[in-house]
Amino acid sequence: DVHLVESGGGLVKPGGSLRLSCAASGFSFNLFSMTWVRQAPGKGLEWVSFISSNGAYIYYVDSVKGRFTISRDSATNSVYLHMNSLRAEDTGVYYCARDGVEGATTPFYFDHWGQGSLVTVSS
Amino acid sequence: SYDLTQPPALSVSPGQTVTITCSGDGLGDKYTSWYQQKPGQSPVLVIYQDAKRPSGIPERFSGSNSGITATLTISGTQATDEADYYCLAWGIRHVVFGGGTKLTVV
Repeated sequence: DVHLVESGGGLVKPGGSLRLSCAASGFSFNLFSMTWVRQAPGKGLEWVSFISSNGAYIYYVDSVKGRFTISRDSATNSVYLHMNSLRAEDTGVYYCARDGVEGATTPFYFDHWGQGSLVTVSS
Repeated sequence: SYDLTQPPALSVSPGQTVTITCSGDGLGDKYTSWYQQKPGQSPVLVIYQDAKRPSGIPERFSGSNSGITATLTISGTQATDEADYYCLAWGIRHVVFGGGTKLTVV
């Protein structure tokens, strides 16, 4: 079974930094692209970032460009989201998700999701 | 920016059919997927590539996409289908989610 487990969330002050991790298991991690999606409290889903299976293709939503960095590590089967200069509007649950298409260079659809990690940005 | 528009809320009686729409410029030329999210839970993929159902998703869920509108249809709606539903498409170097539709089964 595919499992995605996020960690690293917590309370951080505005301007602070945080690194989210997503540990993947149950599939060939090197073959699949990964994505981060967030959800502000009581709001809808917002796509944040995508990284292709080989790390060569990376995309971000405009609101996080220059502040967030997505990366992946095949040695640990993990994908990361490094978040800097955090703002109150970055508050929410962050989900990692697997793209359903092997070797995707752009996002197609997300067939497996983690349970989410809560990030709260507040003074 | 690319936007996808969904009705904020719909209601349906048990056993009836409900259609949730998702509209966007040229949407029919893009692949659309749909996600179900129940309170306190992670989203679940229910339709991908416009009309395909992942394994484990009941046959009562179906999808289509043409022109500027994609649709998710639930036939014989059950109480367990009460949830928020989101459409998704790839815009211009961005993934875009629709605003979500809260489906109430009453």
